[in-house]
Amino acid sequence: DSGVTQTPKHLITATGQRVTLRCSPRSGDLSVYWYQQSLDQGLQFLIQYYNGEERAKGNILERFSAQQFPDLHSELNLSSLELGDSALYFCASSPIGARTDTQYFGPGTRLTVL
Amino acid sequence: SQQGEEDPQALSIQEGENATMNCSYKTSINNLQWYRQNSGRGLVHLILIRSNEREKHSGRLRVTLDTSKKSSSLLITASRAADTASYFCATDLGSGTYKYIFGTGTRLKVLA
Repeated sequence: DSGVTQTPKHLITATGQRVTLRCSPRSGDLSVYWYQQSLDQGLQFLIQYYNGEERAKGNILERFSAQQFPDLHSELNLSSLELGDSALYFCASSPIGARTDTQYFGPGTRLTVL
Repeated sequence: SQQGEEDPQALSIQEGENATMNCSYKTSINNLQWYRQNSGRGLVHLILIRSNEREKHSGRLRVTLDTSKKSSSLLITASRAADTASYFCATDLGSGTYKYIFGTGTRLKVLA
């Protein structure tokens, strides 16, 4: 158990809908990362937050947005969902978001868009 | 294409044998990390090697880094069935960014 929690575990929804994925980092970790893992794209970095501020951005679509709240939990919002958004979404946390930090991954949220 | 690409894509070996996986990357890096992922689960950090290091050990794991060839290898010695998983390398993109880019992974199957 990494100490990172993600909810929900599974999510099934229809195209065009909007969903929110939630992540609670390990106690004491200030940085949160979001990743998307699909069969054809591998593990794609989406975005990183550090202490509430966006620190790095990856291949995050404009239909997706994220934020980190004052209590350090984070939410990833996915809107206007498409079939291709079906994937495993992982959240990871690290102590200070440094390049040498170990990232601790949550169990993931499996999103299925029908 | 990916910053980090693992080779081979899949590897099947007998328990007790050694498994070697390679990772190649394109740009200069500060650090390279290896992670393991059991099927459908979150990734677990294995080891970090800095750009000024050439080799690092952790238990049955040995990681090497050759910055001149922009490549790294992960050796798992005396493999066990429990080592069956996908293994990813992750590289940062050098100075000016905190992003880590993960490779496509090597799927290792250890047969009992």
